[in-house]
Amino acid sequence: AQSVSQHNHHVILSEAASLELGCNYSYGGTVNLFWYVQYPGQHLQLLLKYFSGDPLVKGIKGFEAEFIKSKFSFNLRKPSVQWSDTAEYFCAVNAHASGGSYIPTFGRGTSLIVHP
Amino acid sequence: ETGVTQSPTHLIKTRGQQVTLRCSSQSGHNTVSWYQQALGQGPQFIFQYYREEENGRGNFPPRFSGLQFPNYSSELNVNALELDDSALYLCASSSRDTNTEAFFGQGTRLTVV
Repeated sequence: AQSVSQHNHHVILSEAASLELGCNYSYGGTVNLFWYVQYPGQHLQLLLKYFSGDPLVKGIKGFEAEFIKSKFSFNLRKPSVQWSDTAEYFCAVNAHASGGSYIPTFGRGTSLIVHP
Repeated sequence: ETGVTQSPTHLIKTRGQQVTLRCSSQSGHNTVSWYQQALGQGPQFIFQYYREEENGRGNFPPRFSGLQFPNYSSELNVNALELDDSALYLCASSSRDTNTEAFFGQGTRLTVV
C-alpha cells in the first residue's frame, strides 16, 4: 500500500525566512502529487499539483514544489514566508490503481507558524 | 468557496448509535471521496464513489458505508459508533474522468460520547 511521509510536523519561522517542507511517498507506479493547505478555520484547498511534464511546479501565493522521481519526493518551498502563511500543509498522492481508479493518500501534515 | 457542501457541520452522538453525513459535490464532478481526519492527523481515506458505485476503499471496517446518488451527492453512514470515531469527516469531489484535484468541503465535526 502506498504511504506519504511528511518529515516536519511542526515548523516555526520568522517572516521573510525561507521554507522547505519535505514529502516522500512510497508507490512504484504512476502518481499524481499535490500539496494542500488548510488555513485556520477554513477548508482544505489546493496549493499546487504535479501530473506530468516539468518537475518544478509553481502554485499559488509564491509556493513551488519539485518532483524528484528517483527520490520519491515532492518537497514544498517558498523563498520568503509571510505571517499569513500560518496554516497546516498536507502532501497528497493519487496512486493509480487498476481499472482506472486512483487511491488518494495524505501525509500527516505540517503545522507552520510564522511569527511577524 | 469550493462548491462542496456538507451537513451537518457539527453533531454529537452516543456510542452505539448510527449517523448519516451528507455531501453535495461541486457541479460537473462525478466522484466523491470521504475522509476521516482525527485531531493532529492528515485525512485518512475511507472510500470513494464514482457514478454511484464504490470505487476504492481505505482501511475502514464495514460499519462505514456510503451511497452516491444520481446527482452525484453522497452520504456516509457509520453504524455502531465508537468513541474513536470522533473526528472531522471530510468530503471531496472531483472528476475521475479528468483526474482533477479534489475540492473539499468544510467537514462535519462528529463527537461520540
